[in-house]
Amino acid sequence: QSALTQPPSASGSPEQSVTISCTGTSTDVGGYNYVSWYQQHPGKAPKLMIYEVTKRPSGVPDRFSGSKSGNTASLTVSGLQAEDEADYYCYSYAGNNNFVFGAGTRVTVL
Amino acid sequence: EVQLVESGGGSVQPGGSLRLSCAASGFSFSAHWMSWVRQAPGKGLEWVANIKQDGSEKYYVDSVKGRFTISRDNAKNSLYLQMNSLRAEDTAVYYCTRHLYGSHDCWGKGTLLTVSS
Repeated sequence: QSALTQPPSASGSPEQSVTISCTGTSTDVGGYNYVSWYQQHPGKAPKLMIYEVTKRPSGVPDRFSGSKSGNTASLTVSGLQAEDEADYYCYSYAGNNNFVFGAGTRVTVL
Repeated sequence: EVQLVESGGGSVQPGGSLRLSCAASGFSFSAHWMSWVRQAPGKGLEWVANIKQDGSEKYYVDSVKGRFTISRDNAKNSLYLQMNSLRAEDTAVYYCTRHLYGSHDCWGKGTLLTVSS
């Protein structure tokens, strides 16, 4: 199972927005609404930010939002803050009881 | 508070075996799918295995099939990963996670496995 495609890096100034894409195929991202996003700070465990494409767990700021169009899912961080600087990974169900992560995107707050 | 605490990591030679454990607390362990996810040094995340609430269904990433076995003991609120025929490419931090709605909603801090001669 190939990793989902994410841009290696993204950046934005404080208070701006940044959008990270996650491209798969019709057998993973495009085929199911089980796409989730994770934030990982250096040396820390990942944290769930979005699940089922658009849903935010309790405690996650509403600055984080998810969407999907066809085989591409996206995570948008609005009103960027310094603490949003981290690695972000997408994750999708890929059918036949398989799951796949994206390769990760490093977000830098300029 | 939901807590997942991994243990059992360490250094092992290629071809060796090791068993990871994960102690769960703060939630109804027996009511949830559980998973292992790993991260090689400086690399991205990789889903390794899932196990159903009662242990009746288990699924693995292709690269560990036949070598790794996921299991659980609901009476002890514990998750395990038995790893055999270890390879250098299995070197990673291994995270125990709770799997819900197709996502990993809770994570442990991880335990490091190093496979090296």
